[in-house]
Amino acid sequence: QKEVEQNSGPLSVPEGAIASLNCTYSDRVSQSFFWYRQYSGKSPELIMSIYSNGDKEDGRFTAQLNKASQYVSLLIRDSQPSDSATYLCAVNFIRGGNKLTFGTGTQLKVEL
Amino acid sequence: DVKVTQSSRYLVKRTGEKVFLECVQDMDHENMFWYRQDPGLGLRLIYFSYDVKMKEKGDIPEGYSVSREKKERFSLILESASTNQTSMYLCASKDRDEQYFGPGTRLTVT
Repeated sequence: QKEVEQNSGPLSVPEGAIASLNCTYSDRVSQSFFWYRQYSGKSPELIMSIYSNGDKEDGRFTAQLNKASQYVSLLIRDSQPSDSATYLCAVNFIRGGNKLTFGTGTQLKVEL
Repeated sequence: DVKVTQSSRYLVKRTGEKVFLECVQDMDHENMFWYRQDPGLGLRLIYFSYDVKMKEKGDIPEGYSVSREKKERFSLILESASTNQTSMYLCASKDRDEQYFGPGTRLTVT
């Protein structure tokens, strides 16, 4: 079992819809969680971080964390074609020291 | 704003050459990382450093070495480049929590 799992996609949503990206992780004892956006040929860009259970909103993005169920999700409201990218989930496991463990990413396509 | 820079965006080298990839961060971060990213394999950690002159192997250190003589600079060295080291190389810098990536170097070994 991979430590951080994401559905590779592609996930296709129409413009203006809500895109829901999910990530599960293996270790219940984890301290911080991150979402990165990566456009084709570019490096990952940090878009959200979340540290405690519940929701965290930033503009059109909402990160949701449920430590009991070991999942973290990213919602993108009013999806735009410019949101088309691969979204990487990353977890800082306590036992992992200062290293992040990354999922392989979910490709999102927002269609006109 | 955190800034992580890498010495080259694109690099073409011949098999057997020694290759240096440089990374510089301007936020006084303790931790720095080198990854490679290949289609279908995701991000793979090569080496990381949590302090000057300190280094630890990541998941795929074979064929690579690193150097961290100053806090802001972390170098990746390919001692003898091989074609299977053709990849996108990403440097990252991290404070206690958040990690930031440089723009990446696309290395082609012919």
